[in-house]
Amino acid sequence: AQSVSQHNHHVILSEAASLELGCNYSYGGTVNLFWYVQYPGQHLQLLLKYFSGDPLVKGIKGFEAEFIKSKFSFNLRKPSVQWSDTAEYFCAVNPGSGNTGKLIFGQGTTLQVKP
Amino acid sequence: EAQVTQNPRYLITVTGKKLTVTCSQNMNHEYMSWYRQDPGLGLRQIYYSMNVEVTDKGDVPEGYKVSRKEKRNFPLILESPSPNQTSLYFCASSPTRESYNEQFFGPGTRLTVL
Repeated sequence: AQSVSQHNHHVILSEAASLELGCNYSYGGTVNLFWYVQYPGQHLQLLLKYFSGDPLVKGIKGFEAEFIKSKFSFNLRKPSVQWSDTAEYFCAVNPGSGNTGKLIFGQGTTLQVKP
Repeated sequence: EAQVTQNPRYLITVTGKKLTVTCSQNMNHEYMSWYRQDPGLGLRQIYYSMNVEVTDKGDVPEGYKVSRKEKRNFPLILESPSPNQTSLYFCASSPTRESYNEQFFGPGTRLTVL
């Protein structure tokens, strides 16, 4: 079955530290990849997405992610986090072929940034 | 403002009492979907709709019903809620079902079934 794994469930960083959140998926075909963020008490918002082209994708608020096809990975990075980045982060995959539009989500990573 | 709205935002109910959570989008999107979010499990799709009068089951459809009589609305119906349906529910929409589309999420409905 298709699945998405986020290896870090809870991450605590100090402001200005660098961030990398891991995401691996199990699907052999064409995929479209997303990172969503959920700030406390708010709905999910798109951070960035990849569907073709340059595997290094830049998103909002200084986030970026790199698609490494050989590793089935789509890790999220930010060079210097801020307190306002405290949120839950979800990696999601939408398989390209025979798809029903369904997003397959990882378990989520809670990021806590200490001021 | 382009948005997905859900009502109610919070609901506490008792086992067996039928309820409906409404979802509406103003972006003329064809595709709409319901997810539930549970700790440690991420979001899982309950039902989806590719267009008016076209709906189908997602990964966890048991105990839920949906309808899509108008393009903008996609209500989620729990005919006989049970405690294991206590969860945070999100409605989402996207222009079409194509996999490269961003899905836009509503603010969520936190449901507690006693």
